[in-house]
Amino acid sequence: EAQVTQNPRYLITVTGKKLTVTCSQNMNHEYMSWYRQDPGLGLRQIYYSMNVEVTDKGDVPEGYKVSRKEKRNFPLILESPSPNQTSLYFCASRSPDRGPEAFFGQGTRLTVV
Amino acid sequence: GQSLEQPSEVTAVEGAIVQINCTYQTSGFYGLSWYQQHDGGAPTFLSYNALDGLEETGRFSSFLSRSDSYGYLLLQELQMKDSASYFCARFNQAGTALIFGKGTTLSVSS
Repeated sequence: EAQVTQNPRYLITVTGKKLTVTCSQNMNHEYMSWYRQDPGLGLRQIYYSMNVEVTDKGDVPEGYKVSRKEKRNFPLILESPSPNQTSLYFCASRSPDRGPEAFFGQGTRLTVV
Repeated sequence: GQSLEQPSEVTAVEGAIVQINCTYQTSGFYGLSWYQQHDGGAPTFLSYNALDGLEETGRFSSFLSRSDSYGYLLLQELQMKDSASYFCARFNQAGTALIFGKGTTLSVSS
């Protein structure tokens, strides 16, 4: 089954404790992205990647890091989380051959206290 | 700019027709797509308009007018399960990433 898998689904952490949210896709897609979703603000892009070792900043990259060492994986790293990073996070992947049809993971609800 | 504007909320009754509008800035525009998201769930792709005109997929249709920098999603024969958020989206100027509008919450009542 074609899917994008994020882990964990839910996470409560404390300010300053480094964390990683994993994202893996099994569709051999070149493009992968991370979004955060906050009430009234829609889906805002954090980082995206066009292929292995190729990443670029989205609209809200501050406080986040990403890496793309393998085509299937695109982890999101919060080196020193802060309460304003409490949000719902989505990973997405797509193929340039399929235009704007992106496949999203089920989301990670992160709370930073 | 590459921003998209859409209404924050729309309400309708079962069986009705509703139109969700989206206006965009023309810089580096390739086309307009639409996504549906049920409460807390993953967004799912609905449609894409690269050219002017109407694209129909079952009860849902999407329309684009490049001359007016405007598009809409039309939902017919509304059902309770259509209650969700709907996002219009476009590519960034490089065509490498998707930018989303803030979303329209559709509430369908009986």
